[in-house]
Amino acid sequence: AQKVTQAQTEISVVEKEDVTLDCVYETRDTTYYLFWYKQPPSGELVFLIRRNSFDEQNEISGRYSWNFQKSTSSFNFTITASQVVDSAVYFCALSEVESGGSNYKLTFGKGTLLTVNP
Amino acid sequence: DAGVIQSPRHEVTEMGQEVTLRCKPISGHNSLFWYRQTMMRGLELLIYFNNNVPIDDSGMPEDRFSAKMPNASFSTLKIQPSEPRDSAVYFCASSPRAGKASYEQYFGPGTRLTVT
Repeated sequence: AQKVTQAQTEISVVEKEDVTLDCVYETRDTTYYLFWYKQPPSGELVFLIRRNSFDEQNEISGRYSWNFQKSTSSFNFTITASQVVDSAVYFCALSEVESGGSNYKLTFGKGTLLTVNP
Repeated sequence: DAGVIQSPRHEVTEMGQEVTLRCKPISGHNSLFWYRQTMMRGLELLIYFNNNVPIDDSGMPEDRFSAKMPNASFSTLKIQPSEPRDSAVYFCASSPRAGKASYEQYFGPGTRLTVT
């Protein structure tokens, strides 16, 4: 069974600090997909990034960057020069293809609450 | 383009009453998902549909919960009778390609349900 662990329940930083959110996953599949979602205080879930298991290149999008390492089953998320607007709960999620190849489930971690203080 | 639409945004009801949550997925999306979020259990997948057909309802907590998708643009999640422990935020999400693990899901704003 697939599993996603976000060991950091809460993180608090001061604006402009860099912060890394950890995500460790478990899966028996060789083909799978990893996602990060952001849930701001308003409550909606916002898709941030998708990464497939065959692409270990790191990705950077503005102040956001993601480090995918299959050797350690980790998909960590770094925010550079954090801002107050980054305050949110961040979820890591894993999607794998069930047997038969036609169905799938998205399994979420418990989330990390990031608070960026001014 | 409109995102996933859910209604109502907030629902307060008394124990024993029937509750119906509604969802309109993004036009053209083939998969629809219902999730429940609580502090204790986090985000849980309740049920999902591919091309309007329920694929996996193993996450539905008990027979009091039922979900339907009569057409590609509408789905309901019904709780009858409701209980206080059903209080949670219920999210609906849709995805562009049925049965494709690679596609991200787009979430609606959620319905905050309070059962007193």
